[in-house]
Amino acid sequence: GESVGLHLPTLSVQEGDNSIINCAYSNSASDYFIWYKQESGKGPQFIIDIRSNMDKRQGQRVTVLLNKTVKHLSLQIAATQPGDSAVYFCAERLAGSARQLTFGSGTQLTVLP
Amino acid sequence: DTGVSQNPRHKITKRGQNVTFRCDPISEHNRLYWYRQTLGQGPEFLTYFQNEAQLEKSRLLSDRFSAERPKGSFSTLEIQRTEQGDSAMYLCASSTGALTGELFFGEGSRLTVL
Repeated sequence: GESVGLHLPTLSVQEGDNSIINCAYSNSASDYFIWYKQESGKGPQFIIDIRSNMDKRQGQRVTVLLNKTVKHLSLQIAATQPGDSAVYFCAERLAGSARQLTFGSGTQLTVLP
Repeated sequence: DTGVSQNPRHKITKRGQNVTFRCDPISEHNRLYWYRQTLGQGPEFLTYFQNEAQLEKSRLLSDRFSAERPKGSFSTLEIQRTEQGDSAMYLCASSTGALTGELFFGEGSRLTVL
């Protein structure tokens, strides 16, 4: 079946730099997307979401960009901090589904001192 | 703590034994989800409740798995005759009835089948 995937499994950035985590999705019928952060031994934690009728949404230090033409989602983290080190998952929801999310396999972000 | 609560956090069992996990969602959330996560992978959907009704089950949920939410509040996930392939983190999440909206996840129950 169709699934959400990520371009890179790992990403290392210097503290203070900006991070960009990418995600490709294949289901054009998905209408809602979420980024989650998961620290080791913990459950996923919501970061930011975006509906398919938007192409950009900003939060505190984070921005999500959605390009429906190429089915691409990205998460930008400004001024990356050591506490941002975690695995980041994008997830999509198929329009008309039972509201359940399909997750990608994740990107490990490591913030270097 | 008013978040999603799961217990036990860790369970080690021998192959063939039955295990049960419990999830207490955020109190005002009427939707409850179970996901399974293996190392290095994203969570995989197992099943979904709206109040006490189980509305969807993944094909991943074999006959050995059963989930209940008898009063529309807490939920249990039981695995019968466990197999080594059942070793994973079992995550519970809850949400409101909004058309969009995040799932709030618990810390998970890690199962190890020896």
